[in-house]
Amino acid sequence: EAGVTQFPSHSVIEKGQTVTLRCDPISGHDNLYWYRRVMGKEIKFLLHFVKESKQDESGMPNNRFLAERTGGTYSTLKVQPAELEDSGVYFCASSHVGQSSGANVLTFGAGSRLTVL
Amino acid sequence: EDQVTQSPEALRLQEGESSSLNCSYTVSGLRGLFWYRQDPGKGPEFLFTLYSAGEEKEKERLKATLTKKESFLHITAPKPEDSATYLCAVLSYAGKSTFGDGTTLTVKP
Repeated sequence: EAGVTQFPSHSVIEKGQTVTLRCDPISGHDNLYWYRRVMGKEIKFLLHFVKESKQDESGMPNNRFLAERTGGTYSTLKVQPAELEDSGVYFCASSHVGQSSGANVLTFGAGSRLTVL
Repeated sequence: EDQVTQSPEALRLQEGESSSLNCSYTVSGLRGLFWYRQDPGKGPEFLFTLYSAGEEKEKERLKATLTKKESFLHITAPKPEDSATYLCAVLSYAGKSTFGDGTTLTVKP
């Protein structure tokens, strides 16, 4: 089974530019989450999709961040315009819905490291 | 607001020296408590899920336990390959996972 894949693995951009991160979840996982780890601190929740619908976007820091999941498959997270404080590692995770023992277990991608100069 | 506090922040052990990592939590309604392992440059990897106080899970040298306020990850006779950052997370009934800062474990041969 293919895991969660994220692209790019590392992006270096200048303040004011735009970056789009992509996440391909495990096939069949309806839940897709975006998290962010900044400066070695805890992994913070950004938002949660169930299929193509945003279930919870309470963690999105501001309107410079836009997440989409068209068709309920892959997701993108766009930062526009990027600021210095947006630097960090952005993780995507997916899980399947249900009551089985594996439900709600997050499978993470390797992360996309964003550096804003 | 759900909160997770992990201690210690860093732990250095000699190979074979057993110890425990702590995860204290407050959550509006606990659906599950999860332990993950994270190696440098990789995403967190699932270890255990605990659902109710008194529950225990074991995997090789690791054993996770759960009370109503905290969870422990016991490491028995660790090896250098157990070196990693261990993350604790609580899942609420609202469906949101809240993570702690993690404990970075270093096991010296």
